[in-house]
Amino acid sequence: DSGVTQTPKHLITATGQRVTLRCSPRSGDLSVYWYQQSLDQGLQFLIQYYNGEERAKGNILERFSAQQFPDLHSELNLSSLELGDSALYFCASSLTGGSDTEAFFGQGTRLTVV
Amino acid sequence: GENVEQHPSTLSVQEGDSAVIKCTYSDSASNYFPWYKQELGKRPQLIIDIRSNVGEKKDQRIAVTLNKTAKHFSLHITETQPEDSAVYFCAASAATGFQKLVFGTGTRLLVSP
Repeated sequence: DSGVTQTPKHLITATGQRVTLRCSPRSGDLSVYWYQQSLDQGLQFLIQYYNGEERAKGNILERFSAQQFPDLHSELNLSSLELGDSALYFCASSLTGGSDTEAFFGQGTRLTVV
Repeated sequence: GENVEQHPSTLSVQEGDSAVIKCTYSDSASNYFPWYKQELGKRPQLIIDIRSNVGEKKDQRIAVTLNKTAKHFSLHITETQPEDSAVYFCAASAATGFQKLVFGTGTRLLVSP
């Protein structure tokens, strides 16, 4: 167990809908990251937050947004869902979010868009 | 931006053999190179990492080597066991104020008893 908690574990929804994925980082970690894992794209960095502020953006679509709350949990919002958004979404956390700090992954949320 | 290539895509070995997975990166500013193990349907699990000021790091049966000049790093697993069977990902992160891991495409390792 990495100490990073993600909910829900599985999510099935229809195209055009909106969903929210939730992540609680390890105790003491200030930074959270979101990654998308799909068969054709592999593991892709989406976005990073540190202590409530956005720090880095990767290949995140405009239909997707995220935030980190004062209690350090984070949510990833996916809207206008398309079939191609079906993937495993991982949250990871690290102590400082610096370039060379260890990042620990949660169990992931498997999103299926039908 | 950074690009990480990983080889081979699949690797089959007999129990007790050694396994080597190689990665190359493109951004000379990268300074952190973690390796993750992912079992089917589970989370990527950090197994070892190396920073650019170190050439080699070892932890029991696993070791990682880094050649900054050639921009490649490798994972070595000795005395492989069936429970080592999984997909292994290398990653690289540039020396900026934040971490943005760029992952390789993964190597599926199968260790046969």
